[in-house]
Amino acid sequence: AAGVIQSPRHLIKEKRETATLKCYPIPRHDTVYWYQQGPGQDPQFLISFYEKMQSDKGSIPDRFSAQQFSDYHSELNMSSLELGDSALYFCASSLQPPLDRGLNYGYTFGSGTRLTVV
Amino acid sequence: RKEVEQDPGPFNVPEGATVAFNCTYSNSASQSFFWYRQDCRKEPKLLMSVYSSGNEDGRFTAQLNRASQYISLLIRDSKLSDSATYLCVVVTGTASKLTFGTGTRLQVTL
Repeated sequence: AAGVIQSPRHLIKEKRETATLKCYPIPRHDTVYWYQQGPGQDPQFLISFYEKMQSDKGSIPDRFSAQQFSDYHSELNMSSLELGDSALYFCASSLQPPLDRGLNYGYTFGSGTRLTVV
Repeated sequence: RKEVEQDPGPFNVPEGATVAFNCTYSNSASQSFFWYRQDCRKEPKLLMSVYSSGNEDGRFTAQLNRASQYISLLIRDSKLSDSATYLCVVVTGTASKLTFGTGTRLQVTL
């Protein structure tokens, strides 16, 4: 079965550079979520999109922006990178509503992009 | 205080043991609850949903106590392959974003 595809798997950037992370959700999933997981930390919610519109915003820095395109893939753009941005970035997709009459559609995560800022 | 709290462990148990993890959440309006499993440097994977009536999936049993805002996961007959970090996850609000606990690390040994 198709899963959530993220690219690239690994990325190394220098401070003050920019990076773009891509996420391709499971076909027919209409919602995409971005999470950041630092070393030894739990995943922190950054931002989500439903039907190409931003649906919620978490602890996403102003230096970051994201969007969801007409084919439902999403991109996370990160500018003026800092050492502290080094982390695993996960994308998850789901079909809204995630729980419907007791059925659990759940959330499926991609394998993540490991960003290292040097 | 974090919205979702877990004992970080690690829990070191021998193969075949029964182990239980607990999780508390602070937002009484939370409506959905899950346990996710995360292996080192991998993405979180859904283990099971948690319902008030309690639910079981093989060796795994999950329980939710809304009055106490408490979630539990019981693993029976632990296997080496159960070694991982177990994340308690709560969904609150209309946007349905997931809020993760810090995770409980389990190490099953021979």
